[in-house]
Parts: sequence; structure tokens; C-alpha cells
Amino acid sequence: NAGVTQTPKFQVLKTGQSMTLQCAQDMNHEYMSWYRQDPGMGLRLIHYSVGAGITDQGEVPNGYNVSRSTTEDFPLRLLSAAPSQTSVYFCASSYSGRDEKLFFGSGTQLSVL
Amino acid sequence: DQQVKQNSPSLSVQEGRISILNCDYTNSMFDYFLWYKKYPAEGPTFLISISSIKDKNEDGRFTVFLNKSAKHLSLHIVPSQPGDSAVYFCAAYISNFGNEKLTFGTGTRLTIIP
Repeated sequence: NAGVTQTPKFQVLKTGQSMTLQCAQDMNHEYMSWYRQDPGMGLRLIHYSVGAGITDQGEVPNGYNVSRSTTEDFPLRLLSAAPSQTSVYFCASSYSGRDEKLFFGSGTQLSVL
Repeated sequence: DQQVKQNSPSLSVQEGRISILNCDYTNSMFDYFLWYKKYPAEGPTFLISISSIKDKNEDGRFTVFLNKSAKHLSLHIVPSQPGDSAVYFCAAYISNFGNEKLTFGTGTRLTIIP
């Protein structure tokens, strides 16, 4: 049972480049979300999904796009990377949006130069 | 506006002693509180939670206390062990809104000194 799998673990981008951070879970969880962790800021919610075909914005959605075509996958797209998007990104899932126990992936360290 | 605050960025405690991590919140609508633990290069993992209808919840060496009037919660670890060295995040949400309104604090790095 792999849990929540994120790829890649590390990525360096140039300003203006686009890329997709992958997230997959094998627990049949309905709820999935993306957070970013920045020094002194805690974890902030970017986007979330309560089920396949349903997504919504979190606290800091600008510059990011998501889709949820299957229960298992929830990719995060950076449309045109900016230095302000340098961060550690975590994908998380839970059985439902009312389940306290979020399961997190191991994170993606992204640097935008 | 930081609705969940952890004012101590770091804390060092001797092995075997009690570790006390503190968290304050400003939104009186929060009615569910959680602690997550994070090791380097790993994602956070759920540790313990408490509902606002309680003022204490225990799970082995970990106890969370909630003081609603002071909008304050604390995590007690007794006795502290080297494996407890990690970053601890406090989080809160309004249960009617679900996880999408989960708000995290900035974290406290706990170091257990052997």
C-alpha cells in the first residue's frame, strides 16, 4: 500500500516555464488537496477536490491549475512559473472532506530561478 | 492574517522530560483541532486531535489540552524520546465546512536532547 505518491521529489524551473506536479493515491480517497509550505507561513491550501470531476480553490490558488479526472490522481499545474512559487508542495488525501486524518505525500521541493 | 499561531519556532527538551508545544487561534468558529508531526523530507503525519466539546484528549504519551476561553491548545509529550524530534504543526477547522477550511500554524521544531 503506497499511500500518497508525489513526483518528482525535486525540480528546478526557469521563470516562465510550465510543469505538472503529479499526485496519486491508492486508498480510494474521495478528498484530495494540494498545499505549499513556506518558511514562517505554515501549510497553505492551494486547491482541493472532493471527488472526480470536482475541484475548488483554496487560500492561494493564483498561478496554479488542477483537474481531477480519476479518483486516484490529482495533478497540480504551474502555468508560468515565478520565483514566488519556490516552495515545498504537498499533496494530501482523506476518505472524505470531513475526515480529520489527512494523509500527506512526501513532498516536492520546487525552485524557480 | 494568521488565524492559527505557534509563537515558538523551536523548542529543546531533555530526553525523558515533558515537552509542551503551544498553539493559539483567533477564529472562535474553529471547533476541531489537530496536531501533525513532520520529519525532514517526509510529509506531515496525523498525531492527535480534539473536538471543542472536550478539554483533553490522550493517546499514549501524547495529550492535547484545549482552553476555549483562552483560544489556546497545547500538546504534551511525556516522556520525551529522541524519535519525537520533528516539526509539529497545529491545525484547526470548522467541522461544518470540512477539511477544505483546515488552517495550519507555522510549526514548532522540537529537538529532544539525549
